[in-house]
Amino acid sequence: EPEVTQTPSHQVTQMGQEVILRCVPISNHLYFYWYRQILGQKVEFLVSFYNNEISEKSEIFDDQFSVERPDGSNFTLKIRSTKLEDSAMYFCASSSDGGGPQHFGDGTRLSIL
Amino acid sequence: GDSVTQMEGPVTLSEEAFLTINCTYTATGYPSLFWYVQYPGEGLQLLLKATKADDKGSNKGFEATYRKETTSFHLEKGSVQVSDSAVYFCALTAILTGGGNKLTFGTGTQLKVEL
Repeated sequence: EPEVTQTPSHQVTQMGQEVILRCVPISNHLYFYWYRQILGQKVEFLVSFYNNEISEKSEIFDDQFSVERPDGSNFTLKIRSTKLEDSAMYFCASSSDGGGPQHFGDGTRLSIL
Repeated sequence: GDSVTQMEGPVTLSEEAFLTINCTYTATGYPSLFWYVQYPGEGLQLLLKATKADDKGSNKGFEATYRKETTSFHLEKGSVQVSDSAVYFCALTAILTGGGNKLTFGTGTQLKVEL
């Protein structure tokens, strides 16, 4: 069964550094998402992406965050200058249609030191 | 805004016991409802879904019925196994005008099944 893959599985970064989290969505999917889960808290929506642009973003997704689909297969989340509170599990998801169920990757655990 | 409330965990059961995990929601319009499961060290997997009132979603022995009158989507299984030990998330989705949909999750309920 096709799946969403995320790399790396764990990223350790110094505060203030830039980090890029990578995702390969399911190949025929058109809608892409990022969520995050701070340890012990809810899974929170960050951003949705469709037709090469952001369709919605949450309050969390401030100017330090950006997303990109640089080619036909990858979908990336960049945090420009990381803060301690960015430490979380970041999940990428994709769906084939606008109302359809989202399929998640295994996540990238981001640790900011 | 939309919200999902789940029962607190952890829930600890003996193998073959009956499982109920309560979930209620608040939403405008008519959302689709989902249960996702997260096994240790893994990502979120879609367990089941229901898209309209009175729909029953089912998968792997788990069931949940979309109850509009009580705004609930409780997860049930008649006989749990040790392999069902995981965190279960109730979620609803809102369609985005720009395309796609946005999931709103509950806090998750950890289930531990013991022999």
